[in-house]
Amino acid sequence: QKEVEQDPGPLSVPEGAIVSLNCTYSNSAFQYFMWYRQYSRKGPELLMYTYSSGNKEDGRFTAQVDKSSKYISLFIRDSQPSDSATYLCAMSQVYNNDMRFGAGTRLTVKP
Amino acid sequence: SAVISQKPSRDICQRGTSLTIQCQVDSQVTMMFWYRQQPGQSLTLIATANQGSEATYESGFVIDKFPISRPNLTFSTLTVSNMSPEDSSIYLCSVDWGSGYTFGSGTRLTVV
Repeated sequence: QKEVEQDPGPLSVPEGAIVSLNCTYSNSAFQYFMWYRQYSRKGPELLMYTYSSGNKEDGRFTAQVDKSSKYISLFIRDSQPSDSATYLCAMSQVYNNDMRFGAGTRLTVKP
Repeated sequence: SAVISQKPSRDICQRGTSLTIQCQVDSQVTMMFWYRQQPGQSLTLIATANQGSEATYESGFVIDKFPISRPNLTFSTLTVSNMSPEDSSIYLCSVDWGSGYTFGSGTRLTVV
């Protein structure tokens, strides 16, 4: 079993749809949870960061962490074609140390 | 956030040869990280490079295959040595910039 599991997709949605991206993990010691966005031929860029359980909202993006289920989610509201990218989850026990990444979900938002 | 310039952006290399990838950061950083990103797989940490000391390699990666230099606090190189088609991948450098990692744009390597 991989330490971090993420459905690679691809996921295709129409513009304006709500997108749900998810990761599961096996290590209960993870405390820091991050979502990165990676456009084609670019490096990943940090999108959202959450500590422990709970929700965090930033504009159209909401990150959720359910530590009891070892499950994290990223929701994108009113999705735009510019959101088309690969989204990677990442997590660690200590902040920014020994991060474990998911394989990434490729998202396409169609106009 | 820090800005990282990584080059080359892509290359096609013959098996048995070596390629050196360079990363230049616009700010001084203590640690730089080198990752490999293979299609459909997680970002995998190759090694951590500290200025003034030997790089620390992750399990499955060795210095003879992936020598790293870190001559100062803004620059690092990763060499992929004696390449085989299995080394075809995207290689990324990154730095810890306090609020998450900042990544270079990656080097897409194809070994033929």
